[in-house]
Amino acid sequence: IAGITQAPTSQILAAGRRMTLRCTQDMRHNAMYWYRQDLGLGLRLIHYSNTAGTTGKGEVPDGYSVSRANTDDFPLTLASAVPSQTSVYFCASSTGTSIQFFGPGTRLTVL
Amino acid sequence: AQTVTQSQPEMSVQEAETVTLSCTYDTSENNYYLFWYKQPPSRQMILVIRQEAYKQQNATENRFSVNFQKAAKSFSLKISDSQLGDTAMYFCAFMSGGTSYGKLTFGQGTILTVHP
Repeated sequence: IAGITQAPTSQILAAGRRMTLRCTQDMRHNAMYWYRQDLGLGLRLIHYSNTAGTTGKGEVPDGYSVSRANTDDFPLTLASAVPSQTSVYFCASSTGTSIQFFGPGTRLTVL
Repeated sequence: AQTVTQSQPEMSVQEAETVTLSCTYDTSENNYYLFWYKQPPSRQMILVIRQEAYKQQNATENRFSVNFQKAAKSFSLKISDSQLGDTAMYFCAFMSGGTSYGKLTFGQGTILTVHP
């Protein structure tokens, strides 16, 4: 692994199903973030974690949850997916400087 | 809350020419960071350039430079000698240097097409 990986690359999901998007980084970065990208809205912060064991809410947290059990992993869970959660999801990490490194993204379609 | 506005949904430029992408932001803070990110068709988010608000000198990275006007809250990106590989969506982003440090606020994006 080099940098940040996200899985799956893309997914089609029925409404009401539970889904976990995975994010793993091997750079030992303390901070990690989840953003969603929607046309005309740019990227918006969903949840973040400044260090393992802590998480916080971003701009659009409703319908999503996260956990940070260790430094490397930061999964994002949709407990009961809805069509408005159709989006491209990006995970990012940072050492604590202002520069964030982004993963390749997950395209999620909720039908 | 901070807001970032990119008023140009789409721009186009001929190869080898210069193009400027606009960005304005709104904040009451004095210490912050501004960024331009590039997203090519591959979807990867790539940092183009970063500006620290306390620095008066405009940041430059090879063919990319910014015009940072702090009083006007303007942060435009100039791409010189445009190349076909510059075709991408460009996002302007803001990060507070205070309690919201680490959280990026993005603009809506500008699609740039470079024509041969």
